[in-house]
Amino acid sequence: KAGVTQTPRYLIKTRGQQVTLSCSPISGHRSVSWYQQTPGQGLQFLFEYFSETQRNKGNFPGRFSGRQFSNSRSEMNVSTLELGDSALYLCASSRSPGGALYNSPLHFGNGTRLTVT
Amino acid sequence: QKEVEQNSGPLSVPEGAIASLNCTYSDRVSQSFFWYRQYSGKSPELIMSIYSNGDKEDGRFTAQLNKASQYVSLLIRDSQPSDSATYLCAVMKGGAGGADGLTFGKGTHLIIQP
Repeated sequence: KAGVTQTPRYLIKTRGQQVTLSCSPISGHRSVSWYQQTPGQGLQFLFEYFSETQRNKGNFPGRFSGRQFSNSRSEMNVSTLELGDSALYLCASSRSPGGALYNSPLHFGNGTRLTVT
Repeated sequence: QKEVEQNSGPLSVPEGAIASLNCTYSDRVSQSFFWYRQYSGKSPELIMSIYSNGDKEDGRFTAQLNKASQYVSLLIRDSQPSDSATYLCAVMKGGAGGADGLTFGKGTHLIIQP
């Protein structure tokens, strides 16, 4: 069974640009969550999508947005990039909404490493 | 107080010994608890999940949960050099909403010395 697939693996952007990251969940998984990982803050929750609807959102500015398509694939967009947005962006999928309740743990993709210069 | 706290380490353990990793959490309504392993440059990989008080064993790994003390631990028996990694404790509040996603600790860097 294929795992969570994220593209691209690496991105280099300059301040002020925008970027779109893509995530294909494990087959049969309908919930997709996004996390940001930095050395200083660790892993932080961005948002979760289920059935094309954003269910939850973490404490991030409105520059961070996402969407989910009918095939459960998800995209995350960051507009007006700042240097502090440099991070590893991880997508995770699970069978059920809520992302990690009983018997529905999160499975992570390999991430997209974003560098903002 | 941080929501999920772990000792950052590094925790150095000789090969073949038991590695003990600890995690405390602040929100009493938390109901789901997870341990992820993350190798350098790689994504987190789920090792164990635990939802009720007590011990849960899976191979060389044992997760222990004490909700009264708000404490989760991971024991790794017969530690191998391949176990050297950062171990992340993650917690989720109960209810169908899972409003804040998973809350992660910053991880414990474990080194198994051959």
